[in-house]
Amino acid sequence: QQPVQSPQAVILREGEDAVINCSSSKALYSVHWYRQKHGEAPVFLMILLKGGEQKGHDKISASFNEKKQQSSLYLTASQLSYSGTYFCGTEGPNNAGNMLTFGGGTRLMVKP
Amino acid sequence: NAGVTQTPKFQVLKTGQSMTLQCAQDMNHEYMSWYRQDPGMGLRLIHYSVGAGITDQGEVPNGYNVSRSTTEDFPLRLLSAAPSQTSVYFCASSPSSGRSYNEQFFGPGTRLTVL
Repeated sequence: QQPVQSPQAVILREGEDAVINCSSSKALYSVHWYRQKHGEAPVFLMILLKGGEQKGHDKISASFNEKKQQSSLYLTASQLSYSGTYFCGTEGPNNAGNMLTFGGGTRLMVKP
Repeated sequence: NAGVTQTPKFQVLKTGQSMTLQCAQDMNHEYMSWYRQDPGMGLRLIHYSVGAGITDQGEVPNGYNVSRSTTEDFPLRLLSAAPSQTSVYFCASSPSSGRSYNEQFFGPGTRLTVL
């Protein structure tokens, strides 16, 4: 079952913050986050492990609530370069290693 | 390192034609996979491989075949193209096939149109 991402789209001004959520109906082993710019391949941002660990990548951080089967991506003081579509990929406890199920994506546009 | 390469970049097929999308990686990665990306659907896993000689089905395998005779190459074959297979196809690789929380490296994609 595909994880559900919200919001589907968000428009920000440079310097504003945003939160992107990823929810699953199944138990999760890990959550991966990727960003894809228009016409390009997805690029890895970070992996969240069960246990509620928060990981960071520059001004982008994320959390993983194993009990709620949710992950959130936090973009702080957004930059123009943050524009793109963000995908979460989830790994369940029974998945073959590295097999991810991706959400439908959140389109982020940062304006000057 | 070239990373993950895919050919062709663009392809137009007629319904019923067959073709092979090529994928290669030069990072000695164990795990390789094929995704298709349709608007609003995110990335859906077609087939994956945890090593040479080993392949398995993902979420949407119907109409596609794969094989992995070497660590480097993982071609995707469309047996009889249908308009529903119009999509962007991404190949990805990852260092390990185990639960080692590896990132996946994506190729540049192949945009396929089936008329």
